[in-house]
Amino acid sequence: EPEVTQTPSHQVTQMGQEVILRCVPISNHLYFYWYRQILGQKVEFLVSFYNNEISEKSEIFDDQFSVERPDGSNFTLKIRSTKLEDSAMYFCASSRPSSGNTIYFGEGSWLTVV
Amino acid sequence: GENVEQHPSTLSVQEGDSAVIKCTYSDSASNYFPWYKQELGKRPQLIIDIRSNVGEKKDQRIAVTLNKTAKHFSLHITETQPEDSAVYFCAAASDSWGKFQFGAGTQVVVTP
Repeated sequence: EPEVTQTPSHQVTQMGQEVILRCVPISNHLYFYWYRQILGQKVEFLVSFYNNEISEKSEIFDDQFSVERPDGSNFTLKIRSTKLEDSAMYFCASSRPSSGNTIYFGEGSWLTVV
Repeated sequence: GENVEQHPSTLSVQEGDSAVIKCTYSDSASNYFPWYKQELGKRPQLIIDIRSNVGEKKDQRIAVTLNKTAKHFSLHITETQPEDSAVYFCAAASDSWGKFQFGAGTQVVVTP
């Protein structure tokens, strides 16, 4: 069964550095998402992406964050000037219109900012 | 915006008993309600979902009920087994694709 894949699985970065988290959505999916889960807390929506542009974003997704689909398969989340509170699990997800709103999550990228 | 409340935060059940988790939502435009199971350090996995044109849906030992009037929906797990132990999240969404508002999660512990 196709899966959303994410790299890296774990990244440690210094405060103030930039990180890029990568995702390969399921191949016939057209909608892509990033979610965040701080340890022990609920999953929070960050951004959705369709047709090469952001379709919705939450208040968490400020100027520090950006997303890009640099080629036909990858979908990236860039976090600039990382802060301690950015430490979290970041999940990429994807969906296709014919499946309704059903989304499928990747395994997550655990980001630790020190 | 949408706000989803989930209760209880923890639930301990004896193996073989039933578990019920309840969620309420605030936005009457929400029309899709998935439930995800998350094991420690793993991705959330969809276990069942329901759309607003249906009142109940069942899949083996798992069922979900939806009361649109009262804006609440529930997950029912019957004949619980130790492998049901996990955190369960409810979510709600309207026609905005994938923009789910998740509940805070319920830690379910099934004791043999």
